[in-house]
Amino acid sequence: ETGVTQTPRHLVMGMTNKKSLKCEQHLGHNAMYWYKQSAKKPLELMFVYSLEERVENNSVPSRFSPECPNSSHLFLHLHTLQPEDSALYLCASSQDREPTPNRGYTFGSGTRLTVV
Amino acid sequence: DQQVKQNSPSLSVQEGRISILNCDYTNSMFDYFLWYKKYPAEGPTFLISISSIKDKNEDGRFTVFLNKSAKHLSLHIVPSQPGDSAVYFCAASWTGTYKYIFGTGTRLKVLA
Repeated sequence: ETGVTQTPRHLVMGMTNKKSLKCEQHLGHNAMYWYKQSAKKPLELMFVYSLEERVENNSVPSRFSPECPNSSHLFLHLHTLQPEDSALYLCASSQDREPTPNRGYTFGSGTRLTVV
Repeated sequence: DQQVKQNSPSLSVQEGRISILNCDYTNSMFDYFLWYKKYPAEGPTFLISISSIKDKNEDGRFTVFLNKSAKHLSLHIVPSQPGDSAVYFCAASWTGTYKYIFGTGTRLKVLA
């Protein structure tokens, strides 16, 4: 248990569905992140929140909509996704917006998303 | 354009031998490098890091070497154990940023 919890662990959704991914961190960190891991590709940074303010939207399509109601919770709202959006979605947190270089992020276990 | 490259998708090593995982980068601005380890159905966990002012950092069985002139780093695991079987990601960052740039990972299998 890393202190970053993601739910659900697995999600299968149709292209017309709306669903949400949830991330919760119990570490007292101030920054949270969404990453996408597709097969044979590097982890891709999607969104960064620092003290509940979005500081980065890394050219992510609008069908992905993040929400950070407080520094402990992060959501990723999904709607009208495409099959190519199927991937492992990882949440991470760090103490500050600029993570300590020798500690990096703390990741959750991820949500395996399949779009059918 | 991939700034961090792990050109070996997989590696198999006998238990007790040395595992060497390689990573190349292109951006001279990077001044911190990290290795993460990922088991199936889990998120990546931080393993070891190195600053660009050093050329070696050691933590138990794990040692990371940095060759700045070649823009190359490597992770050595000695001796390798079956529990080391996982995917290893190399990541790089630079001072003042919140971004880590990741490689595609190398799957290590340690054979008993």
